[in-house]
Amino acid sequence: GNSVTQMEGPVTLSEEAFLTINCTYTATGYPSLFWYVQYPGEGLQLLLKATKADDKGSNKGFEATYRKETTSFHLEKGSVQVSDSAVYFCALSDFNAGGTSYGKLTFGQGTILTVHP
Amino acid sequence: DAGVTQSPTHLIKTRGQQVTLRCSPKSGHDTVSWYQQALGQGPQFIFQYYEEEERQRGNFPDRFSGHQFPNYSSELNVNALLLGDSALYLCASSFKPTYEQYFGPGTRLTVT
Repeated sequence: GNSVTQMEGPVTLSEEAFLTINCTYTATGYPSLFWYVQYPGEGLQLLLKATKADDKGSNKGFEATYRKETTSFHLEKGSVQVSDSAVYFCALSDFNAGGTSYGKLTFGQGTILTVHP
Repeated sequence: DAGVTQSPTHLIKTRGQQVTLRCSPKSGHDTVSWYQQALGQGPQFIFQYYEEEERQRGNFPDRFSGHQFPNYSSELNVNALLLGDSALYLCASSFKPTYEQYFGPGTRLTVT
């Protein structure tokens, strides 16, 4: 079945540091890949996505590249801010036996990011 | 434009009881999915409703059931509550062709 593995957390950084959160996946087909962010006490917000190999998703200074050869979708940001402190989830959406996705998501376990001033 | 809304925000129930959670999708969306997020874990897919029928289901027991109404809103019902059902329950709405999931703020269920 499908699965997503994220790097062990939590991650603690100083403001303006470089961020990398690793994500690898297992899927039977050619999934779409996502990063979601969850701020304290809130639901999930889509941060960025990529739908095919070598696509780069980007938003708010965050980037991730769909690497089919390494089945990875690592999240990066060049300079983090205190306001980036949140839980980050890597997820995939794959196709069912009938060839349709319908958007069902499989998530990783999440990585807690804390940024200090 | 209102996003996905869920009610109630918090809920405390006793083992063995039954609970109903509610979700209103984003305007223009016709598909509703439910996810369970245990503390410290990623969300897990429970099921998805489209045209008032369950279209997909994750690995959850029959104690978890749902319903979708003609206005696309949805309910999640859980019977015979267990302590392990304590979690944040997230609703997500979407529409074709992308089926990109838009999440609500969730309902925090505590079973004592």
